[in-house]
Order: sequence, then C-alpha cells, then structure tokens
Amino acid sequence: TQLLEQSPQFLSIQEGENLTVYCNSSSVFSSLQWYRQEPGEGPVLLVTVVTGGEVKKLKRLTFQFGDARKDSSLHITAAQPGDTGLYLCAGCHNFNKFYFGSGTKLNVKP
Amino acid sequence: ETGVTQTPRHLVMGMTNKKSLKCEQHLGHNAMYWYKQSAKKPLELMFVYNFKEQTENNSVPSRFSPECPNSSHLFLHLHTLQPEDSALYLCASSSGQAGSSGNTIYFGEGSWLTVV
Repeated sequence: TQLLEQSPQFLSIQEGENLTVYCNSSSVFSSLQWYRQEPGEGPVLLVTVVTGGEVKKLKRLTFQFGDARKDSSLHITAAQPGDTGLYLCAGCHNFNKFYFGSGTKLNVKP
Repeated sequence: ETGVTQTPRHLVMGMTNKKSLKCEQHLGHNAMYWYKQSAKKPLELMFVYNFKEQTENNSVPSRFSPECPNSSHLFLHLHTLQPEDSALYLCASSSGQAGSSGNTIYFGEGSWLTVV
C-alpha cells in the first residue's frame, strides 16, 4: 500500500477545461511537493508547501496543503496541451524520508 | 537546470557489461538518492546516502552497487544486469538536515538504461 494515494491515475481532457488532482494520506508531513514529469525526463519541482492550509499559485496552477498537513490538491485552470505530463506528489517525513504518490497522467487534447 | 546532473543520459549495455551512472549535485545538499522508475510502476527508492553514509538500501540486488565519495557525488555501478533492469534511473538530492522546514527533494534529468 502507498503512504500517499494520488487520484485520479489518468485524466484526459480538452484544452480549456479545469481539473483537480488529489494527494491523500493518513500521515502528517512536514512538507509536500508537487512535480511534473515528461517521458524520459526527471521530475521537475513545481512547488513545496509547508504550512497547514497554505495555498500557492503558479500561473494557472493552484496548490493547497490541507489544514492537518495530510493531504494536498493541485488545481489547473484552463488546461493547455503544454500541461500534458505525469504529475507526482511527494510528502516529507523527518528530514530525508520522502514518500511519493503513484502519479496522475494528464493528457490535454487541443 | 535543477542543480542535479546525471550522466550518461542514455546507456545501452549487455548483460555481461560493467558500467556506471554518475550524479553530481550543486545545491550544497547532504542527502543523495537513487530511484528506479519503470513503465507503469511508481518510483522505487533504491539507496539513500546522508553525509556520505548509506542510510537506506531498499533490498536492492547486489548487481547494483552505489558509491558516494562525498556529499556532492553519487555513483551507481552496474554489473551483470538483467533485461528487467531496463528503466529510468533517477538521482536526487535534499538538504538532509533535521529541523529544516520545507525540505524538498530535487531530481536530475535521469539516465535511461536499456539492458540487452
């Protein structure tokens, strides 16, 4: 079983639609990260959230850390084909233990 | 540019070959990691080094041998691999320091390994 459950696993939408990806756990994390990964490349960091209830925005992407620091969401507004990729969440326990979700494969069709 | 550099980016090797993957980080971090990523599987942690000492070996077969000569460099030595070892191998680093908030793990670009 995964410590971090990520949903949905797959998402195929039309350009211009909105979407939300969820990352849930029963464990508390000291920080949580979101990454985007393209095929054959390493995951690229999008954001780190640290404080319970924290909301961070990166252009059309909005990240939220749950009040209890156990879950997080990534919301994309008006998705574009360039948003296509694998989205990964990771939670940090202690200082060097990171747990990853299984990923959400997003396909945005033009 | 993430501050973590991996070489080579692509490697094809026979089952009897010996090769090495190299990773260097320019972030001043103290923890370094090797992950394996196969198609349709989640990221698998292989090894963790903190201040050059191995702190985690996730039941990795001995045909994979890590080496961490200093906090900035990490190697993965490969010997007599199997075709099922073909995957994307990712190096990563983090501050590795207790008490620091916002601890984040940064990845290299990955090394695509094909075993033939």
